[in-house]
Amino acid sequence: NAGVMQNPRHLVRRRGQEARLRCSPMKGHSHVYWYRQLPEEGLKFMVYLQKENIIDESGMPKERFSAEFPKEGPSILRIQQVVRGDSAAYFCASSLQRESSYNEQFFGPGTRLTVL
Amino acid sequence: GDSVTQMEGPVTLSEEAFLTINCTYTATGYPSLFWYVQYPGEGLQLLLKATKADDKGSNKGFEATYRKETTSFHLEKGSVQVSDSAVYFCALSKRDSGYALNFGKGTSLLVTP
Repeated sequence: NAGVMQNPRHLVRRRGQEARLRCSPMKGHSHVYWYRQLPEEGLKFMVYLQKENIIDESGMPKERFSAEFPKEGPSILRIQQVVRGDSAAYFCASSLQRESSYNEQFFGPGTRLTVL
Repeated sequence: GDSVTQMEGPVTLSEEAFLTINCTYTATGYPSLFWYVQYPGEGLQLLLKATKADDKGSNKGFEATYRKETTSFHLEKGSVQVSDSAVYFCALSKRDSGYALNFGKGTSLLVTP
C-alpha cells in the first residue's frame, strides 16, 4: 500500500512565478491536510480538504495561495507570484476518516520550495 | 488559541542515556496528543499518541503519558540509540478544528556513539 506521494520533491522558482505542489493521498483516504514548515520553525497548518471541498483554510494566506482536491487526481497547492518568504517545506498529510477521536495523519515526504 | 510548547534543542546525548523531551499544551476541550518524528530529509512519522487523560502512548521504547492536571505529554526513552537522532514534534488535535494538527516547534535530538 503506497504511502502519501508528493511531487516534486524539490522545486525552484524565481520571484513572481507560480508554484504547483501535488499530493496523492494514501489509497482510500479522502481527507487531505497541507502544512508549511518554515526554516527553524515547526509545521503550521494551512488547509484541510475533502474531495471537492475546502473544509478549513484558516491557516492559509488570503492572497496568492489556493488549494483544491478534485474528485479525480491529486490535491494541488498553488502559490501564485511567489516571493522569497514562500521558501519552505510543504507537507501533505492524509487520513482515513474524520469522525473519530483518533485521527492518524500520514505524511508525505514534502516538497521543498526555494524561491530565488 | 490552542498551542503546544516544547523544550528547545538541540539535545545531545550519549548512546544508552535516558531521554526526556518536555511538552506542554494549552487547549480548550479534550485534545488528542501526539509525538511525531522527522528524520533528515523525510516527512513526519507518527511515533505515539494518546487520546484521553491518563492514557500512555508507547512505541519503539518511547513513552508519553497524557497528564491533564499538568497539561503535559513528555516524551521519554530509557536508553537512546544513534538511530534515534531526529527532530521530535509534539502536537495536538481536536475535533472542532477538523483534527488539524497543531505542532510545537520541534526538538532536535543528536545521539552520539
